[in-house]
Amino acid sequence: DIQMTQSPSSLSASVGDRVTITCRASQSIYSYLNWYQQKPGKAPKFLIYAASSLQSGVPSRFSGSGSGTDFTLTISRLQPEDFATYYCQQSYSTPPTFGPGTKVDIK
Amino acid sequence: QVQLQESGPGLVKPSETLSLTCTVSGGSISNYYWSWIRQPPGKGLEWIGHIFYTGNTNYNPSLKSRVIISVDTSKQQFSLKLGSVTAADTAVYYCARRDWGNCSDGSCYTWFDPWGQGTLVTVSS
Repeated sequence: DIQMTQSPSSLSASVGDRVTITCRASQSIYSYLNWYQQKPGKAPKFLIYAASSLQSGVPSRFSGSGSGTDFTLTISRLQPEDFATYYCQQSYSTPPTFGPGTKVDIK
Repeated sequence: QVQLQESGPGLVKPSETLSLTCTVSGGSISNYYWSWIRQPPGKGLEWIGHIFYTGNTNYNPSLKSRVIISVDTSKQQFSLKLGSVTAADTAVYYCARRDWGNCSDGSCYTWFDPWGQGTLVTVSS
């Protein structure tokens, strides 16, 4: 299985801050990387596919980059509704695997 | 738009079989892969397996010996059975559609969307 790691595991930020989350794969997954947002008690919400392609309806303050083994999710100006846990997921090989998550909370 | 809804018992005894059903509404179950994903309380996400509407399945090797996923296209439902459960199987279980796009040379990017709201299954005597 391809192992996914994320850093940091949690971070505190203020509204308006720029936030960057890193995801790393245990082997190259090219650009087969997705990002999800999960709020407490809710199902994950799909944000980004192919490392950098925004799902329809996702605000443009979200962006993704990277390829190979190293990826980033950036929120350019954090909004109150962005406080959540973010997961990366590789879709390069079966089984699809998720990172452990990065919790973004209010400073 | 497509909506998914999980249903099934919220409490299962150790060594018994966990059974859940996902009902798809607002769209056809045909032409897609349908997945089960779980999340133990306070932990991360684990893909359990998926089924194509034709009945073809693929399971996570870590659970393969205990998992059966089936589909009933006439009812727009797919189901999960997980046998010989233990407390470690306590989790929120989600059903999700595997969608795809940006295909080239026979390879597609895939992702999970939409998801059901999830159902908590507790394994306890």
